[in-house]
Amino acid sequence: EVQLVESGGGLVQPGGSLTLSCTASGFTFDNYAMSWVRQAPGEGLEWVSAISGAGGFTYQTDSVKGRFTISRDNLKRTLYLHMNSLRAEDTAVYYCAKEPFASPGDAFDVWGQGTLVTFSS
Amino acid sequence: EIVMTQSPATLSVSLGERATLSCRASQSVSNNLAWYQQKRGQAPRLLIYGASTRATGIPARFSGSGSGTEFTLTISSLQSEDFAVYYCQQYNNWYTFGQGTKLEIK
Repeated sequence: EVQLVESGGGLVQPGGSLTLSCTASGFTFDNYAMSWVRQAPGEGLEWVSAISGAGGFTYQTDSVKGRFTISRDNLKRTLYLHMNSLRAEDTAVYYCAKEPFASPGDAFDVWGQGTLVTFSS
Repeated sequence: EIVMTQSPATLSVSLGERATLSCRASQSVSNNLAWYQQKRGQAPRLLIYGASTRATGIPARFSGSGSGTEFTLTISSLQSEDFAVYYCQQYNNWYTFGQGTKLEIK
């Protein structure tokens, strides 16, 4: 069964850091581009960052450039999102999502269950 | 950035009836358009890609149409499990999502 399982979410303070992980199973991980997509409470979906299958190309939405870094370890079949300088507006459920090809730029055919990042006051 | 606008925001339809959801792009996205279904507390699920191709395991009552800037998702005969929020997404120029249409029981 094709599956993505996120972990690493939790309570953070503004300005803090957090690393999210997404472990894949049921498919040849390094053959496919991967993305992080987030959803603020009660809001819609927002693409955050993408990475090619081999990991050589990465892309981010403007609001996280310079703060978030996407990476992957294909031997561990794991996708990461390293988040620094976190802001209250980064509060969201973060989903990892798989694309059907090695290069980013397609629909997301498999999604994880999500991990929640929230802020303490 | 390509802006995706969905209408209506909420659609009330009876069981067994047809539902038609619309999505408009601020500029042409060719046929690089996907539809997702999201139920409360769950991750989104891919329904349609390439504007009109059903994803694996998606029932035939779901169909997509359109190209360029105007797209439609049609659910031909609503079942109870179809009541959810639906998002369109363009992937012609990175990725942007519409704000969603909530499909509720009338």
